[in-house]
Amino acid sequence: SAVISQKPSRDICQRGTSLTIQCQVDSQVTMMFWYRQQPGQSLTLIATANQGSEATYESGFVIDKFPISRPNLTFSTLTVSNMSPEDSSIYLCSVRRADSYEQYFGPGTRLTVT
Amino acid sequence: KQEVTQIPAALSVPEGENLVLNCSFTDSAIYNLQWFRQDPGKGLTSLLLIQSSQREQTSGRLNASLDKSSGRSTLYIAASQPGDSATYLCAVSLLNSNSGYALNFGKGTSLLVTP
Repeated sequence: SAVISQKPSRDICQRGTSLTIQCQVDSQVTMMFWYRQQPGQSLTLIATANQGSEATYESGFVIDKFPISRPNLTFSTLTVSNMSPEDSSIYLCSVRRADSYEQYFGPGTRLTVT
Repeated sequence: KQEVTQIPAALSVPEGENLVLNCSFTDSAIYNLQWFRQDPGKGLTSLLLIQSSQREQTSGRLNASLDKSSGRSTLYIAASQPGDSATYLCAVSLLNSNSGYALNFGKGTSLLVTP
């Protein structure tokens, strides 16, 4: 398995500001992902973080709102830009094993936008 | 679009009972299915992974089965304990042109095991 850490674990932010969430993995992984879990909803994939190139976004998510960086095989950041109360969610970083496709998740970042 | 449904949404059982959580999915062309556990304020813990060619997987008191043709999976928990209290999530991996094999999640079953 992989050990994944996220910073911050939680934050309360004001409308219109931006927050950058960091994800660190204890080993090199090819595939890293960012998910969102809105209250009472299932997890939704935001994007795949690609090392050395632009992230691949799912339908409904755009780079201007959720810019993602992945400078190496163990680290990625997700920024939630120009936040509104609708962005209040848990944001989770995830990695996937190349051999079995089993996925592992970080502890999540609980974001509240006021 | 893959739809994943979990039944029941919530379940309360006394300690020691055996229980079954259900997961159904609409598109049978899955790559694998994974069961997770989510504790309040924490991330997801992977419990079991079943490849599409497999019928079941076991880990300790947990047994997960997969019937791909009918679009169903069950998670069986034997001799439940209060420490099993958590939300259990089912996710299926489906080939996605954007992200390769993306995970599609159900909303989960919230389990409470009372002493």
